[in-house]
Amino acid sequence: AQTVTQSQPEMSVQEAETVTLSCTYDTSENNYYLFWYKQPPSRQMILVIRQEAYKQQNATENRFSVNFQKAAKSFSLKISDSQLGDTAMYFCAFMNGMNRDDKIIFGKGTRLHILP
Amino acid sequence: GAGVSQSPSNKVTEKGKDVELRCDPISGHTALYWYRQSLGQGLEFLIYFQGNSAPDKSGLPSDRFSAERTGGSVSTLTIQRTQQEDSAVYLCASSSDRDKSQHFGDGTRLSIL
Repeated sequence: AQTVTQSQPEMSVQEAETVTLSCTYDTSENNYYLFWYKQPPSRQMILVIRQEAYKQQNATENRFSVNFQKAAKSFSLKISDSQLGDTAMYFCAFMNGMNRDDKIIFGKGTRLHILP
Repeated sequence: GAGVSQSPSNKVTEKGKDVELRCDPISGHTALYWYRQSLGQGLEFLIYFQGNSAPDKSGLPSDRFSAERTGGSVSTLTIQRTQQEDSAVYLCASSSDRDKSQHFGDGTRLSIL
């Protein structure tokens, strides 16, 4: 069975700094999708970034980028020039790309605090 | 276009009562998911609908929980004889076949007194 592990329950960084959130996963599949979701105190889950496993190039969305290491089964999220609005829970998630009937598996999350 | 809509936003009810939570997915999305999130915790998968296929109910915690999806669109999650441990935020998400990213609603915060 696939699993997703986020080893950092909580992190704090100063505004404008760069922070990296870790995520590792376990799967025997070759084709899959990886996601990072953000959940601010308002509780809405917001998709931050996604990566298809067959793409070697790391996904980037403005200040957010990933370091996808397929062999190591690692999918870390880097937030550059962090802002107060980045304060939220961040969830890493995995989806099997071959089986249309599969579901997304979420990690337990990392609570990120951006300090003024 | 409209996102995933959930109602009610908040629900307070007495232990033992039945509750129904509603989810309106994004138009055209074939997949619909229900999750439960207890305070400060991650997401717990409950049930998954994909098109006309039989739903994946593997995450439902007990037979007091059920869900249906009418006409491949709106879904209702029903909790019968509610217990205090059912208190949580219930999140709904939908996705399309083309883009497997799940889009979430704002959730329903359920409080059992």
